[in-house]
Amino acid sequence: GDSVTQMEGPVTLSEEAFLTINCTYTATGYPSLFWYVQYPGEGLQLLLKATKADDKGSNKGFEATYRKETTSFHLEKGSVQVSDSAVYFCALSLISGAGSYQLTFGKGTKLSVIP
Amino acid sequence: DTGVSQDPRHKITKRGQNVTFRCDPISEHNRLYWYRQTLGQGPEFLTYFQNEAQLEKSRLLSDRFSAERPKGSFSTLEIQRTEQGDSAMYLCASSLDGLGVANYGYTFGSGTRLTVV
Repeated sequence: GDSVTQMEGPVTLSEEAFLTINCTYTATGYPSLFWYVQYPGEGLQLLLKATKADDKGSNKGFEATYRKETTSFHLEKGSVQVSDSAVYFCALSLISGAGSYQLTFGKGTKLSVIP
Repeated sequence: DTGVSQDPRHKITKRGQNVTFRCDPISEHNRLYWYRQTLGQGPEFLTYFQNEAQLEKSRLLSDRFSAERPKGSFSTLEIQRTEQGDSAMYLCASSLDGLGVANYGYTFGSGTRLTVV
């Protein structure tokens, strides 16, 4: 079945450090790819997305490029801030037989940024 | 429009009791989803509605679980005879039509955290 594998955390970085969170996927079709962020005590917020190969999603200084040849969608940010501390989820979406476009999530990577 | 609303935010219940959660989606979204998130894991799909029709259910949705979406507006998720393994965050999400999901993803609510003691 479809699956998403992302690097295990927790990840602890100093403020202004470079961030990479690896994400690879397995899918039977041609998925859309997403990164969601979950701050403590809150639901998930869409961070960025890409719908086709070589698309680059970007938002709030975060970027990820849809790499079909390596089935990857790694999240990067050049300079992290304390406010970026959260759990990050990589996800894919494929249409199901019932037309539901289910999201399949990775297990999440907890990022802590220290001053 | 304030996004997807879920009620209650937290629920503590004794094993064997029934619980019901409510979700109010974004008003123009015709698709509604329920997901379950256990500690340290990503959310897992439970069920999907298009308008009032429940079109898909996960194998995770045992016969103790039932979901409804009367009139295609708000939705409820009921768990009967709760078990400790039901302790989780229950997330509701809504979206526009299919292409809306592919292009924009879902909008999630803040979730209902259930603790079964």
